[in-house]
Amino acid sequence: ETGVTQSPTHLIKTRGQQVTLRCSSQSGHNTVSWYQQALGQGPQFIFQYYREEENGRGNFPPRFSGLQFPNYSSELNVNALELDDSALYLCASSSMTGRNTEAFFGQGTRLTVV
Amino acid sequence: DQQVKQNSPSLSVQEGRISILNCDYTNSMFDYFLWYKKYPAEGPTFLISISSIKDKNEDGRFTVFLNKSAKHLSLHIVPSQPGDSAVYFCAASVDTNAGKSTFGDGTTLTVKP
Repeated sequence: ETGVTQSPTHLIKTRGQQVTLRCSSQSGHNTVSWYQQALGQGPQFIFQYYREEENGRGNFPPRFSGLQFPNYSSELNVNALELDDSALYLCASSSMTGRNTEAFFGQGTRLTVV
Repeated sequence: DQQVKQNSPSLSVQEGRISILNCDYTNSMFDYFLWYKKYPAEGPTFLISISSIKDKNEDGRFTVFLNKSAKHLSLHIVPSQPGDSAVYFCAASVDTNAGKSTFGDGTTLTVKP
């Protein structure tokens, strides 16, 4: 059983640029959620994808967008990067079939915007 | 407006003693609560959870207590071990959708040998 993997692990971008982060969900999981974790804070829910459709969104602007593919992997896209977007981005996979009682997190992508 | 609060940023206990980590929430719609543990350079790892229909759930050394009327939950670790040293996050969700959780800011637990 493969775990949740994210790529890249670290990334440096310039303000105004666009970035794409990738996540492969755990085998057997059909739901992917993305979180932003700023330094010293807990993860903040960005959005969740289930069967390739957005299934709920947190308090993030439209320049944060996502995709889920038929194999349940996912991308997080952020346009017009701002300095405050510097954070650890976490992907979590879970299953909507049966008991959706825990989420499995990847190791995260550390994004630095300069 | 933070809906899940962990008011103690840090906690230090002696090996073998009990660690008690606390969490408060404000949203009455939350019906499922989770604790995650996070080591540096790793993602959070699920530890234990509790549904709002229960007031206690136990798994080995870890017990979570839920007081719905007070909107308060706590995680007890007995006995504490040095390997338990990590950041602990409390999280809450609606409709048992663990992937759509609201997290607290975490408590850093240090267990001293």
